[in-house]
Amino acid sequence: GAVVSQHPSRVICKSGTSVKIECRSLDFQATTMFWYRQFPKQSLMLMATSNEGSKATYEQGVEKDKFLINHASLTLSTLTVTSAHPEDSSFYICSASGDRGEIEAFFGQGTRLTVV
Amino acid sequence: GQNIDQPTEMTATEGAIVQINCTYQTSGFNGLFWYQQHAGEAPTFLSYNVLDGLEEKGRFSSFLSRSKGYSYLLLKELQMKDSASYLCAAMDSNYQLIWGAGTKLIIKP
Repeated sequence: GAVVSQHPSRVICKSGTSVKIECRSLDFQATTMFWYRQFPKQSLMLMATSNEGSKATYEQGVEKDKFLINHASLTLSTLTVTSAHPEDSSFYICSASGDRGEIEAFFGQGTRLTVV
Repeated sequence: GQNIDQPTEMTATEGAIVQINCTYQTSGFNGLFWYQQHAGEAPTFLSYNVLDGLEEKGRFSSFLSRSKGYSYLLLKELQMKDSASYLCAAMDSNYQLIWGAGTKLIIKP
């Protein structure tokens, strides 16, 4: 299957600071990337969908000024959690679909964010 | 509204067979996915069904009935490493995935 790399895998930051998470498609061009968050023992919650070169589409209830998404190239999307608070602590996962023809989504390894 | 239902937790014995059920309601339908997720890791793709019937892939099989809005994942010859959460996801008419909360499968020796 296709490879999607997400970095960092774990990050601890102080309340009020910003954290950037990167998601890269390593062997295909990701025309669309999805950002999810997942709380313990809960399902994946879609935060936003980003298409290369255009603004991300945010799901209802997700603050676009707090969760900044940039999809500047066909292989890279970033999620920046601005002014992080402890309630933002969660597991963030990206997935990508693109030009390979498969219908399944390919996931990054996930980022465990802890805000202290 | 759109909804996915699957059991929260199941327990099975090593070497046995287990069936994890999933029912779905979506606006339109473009297929049903099963993913495996180990704790603290991202989901990995297991299967995709868009036509009625059974798809077999090694020890794992997936079944779909579109008329009933029902799918199941069948795991045979269970191994300890199969202990994980299994996520059911239906793709709606906009090709958006609607995720279930996952079924935690516990394998006992």
